[in-house]
Amino acid sequence: DSGVTQTPKHLITATGQRVTLRCSPRSGDLSVYWYQQSLDQGLQFLIQYYNGEERAKGNILERFSAQQFPDLHSELNLSSLELGDSALYFCASSALDRGTGELFFGEGSRLTVL
Amino acid sequence: AQTVTQSQPEMSVQEAETVTLSCTYDTSESDYYLFWYKQPPSRQMILVIRQEAYKQQNATENRFSVNFQKAAKSFSLKISDSQLGDAAMYFCAYRSAAFGNEKLTFGTGTRLTIIP
Repeated sequence: DSGVTQTPKHLITATGQRVTLRCSPRSGDLSVYWYQQSLDQGLQFLIQYYNGEERAKGNILERFSAQQFPDLHSELNLSSLELGDSALYFCASSALDRGTGELFFGEGSRLTVL
Repeated sequence: AQTVTQSQPEMSVQEAETVTLSCTYDTSESDYYLFWYKQPPSRQMILVIRQEAYKQQNATENRFSVNFQKAAKSFSLKISDSQLGDAAMYFCAYRSAAFGNEKLTFGTGTRLTIIP
């Protein structure tokens, strides 16, 4: 158990709809990362938040947005969904001190767009 | 921007044998971390082993070890005494040690099959 919690685990929706994925980081971790993994592909970095502020942005579509709340949980909002948005969405968290450098991953939210 | 390349989309090995997965990366930085993550059919991302660039000694975790060649920007994973439970996708990943650049950059993965 990594200590990172993601909900929901599975989500099926239709094109054009909007969904929200939720992530609770490990206790004490201020930094949250979102990644997208399409079928049989690598993990693509979407966005990172640190203590409520956006810290780094990757290949995130304009239809997607994220935020991190004062209690440090984060939400990834996906709107105007397309078939190609079907993927596994991972949240990860880390401390920002040098530490081990490791990111701790949740179990992912599998989104299916029909 | 850093890039990570895994040139072997698929590998297979006989149970109890040894297999090596390759990874190369491109960076202009001198201080960074390298990781191997395992993703079994459950799709959970599991850390296998990590290496800090300033440490010359190769990391080892039980049956897993790495060959870190900093000058060549190479980071291969050796799995000894392969077991059926080792079957998974393996991803090589890079993380800068620079403040403000903490994300992981992943390779495209190698699917490892264990032959009984």
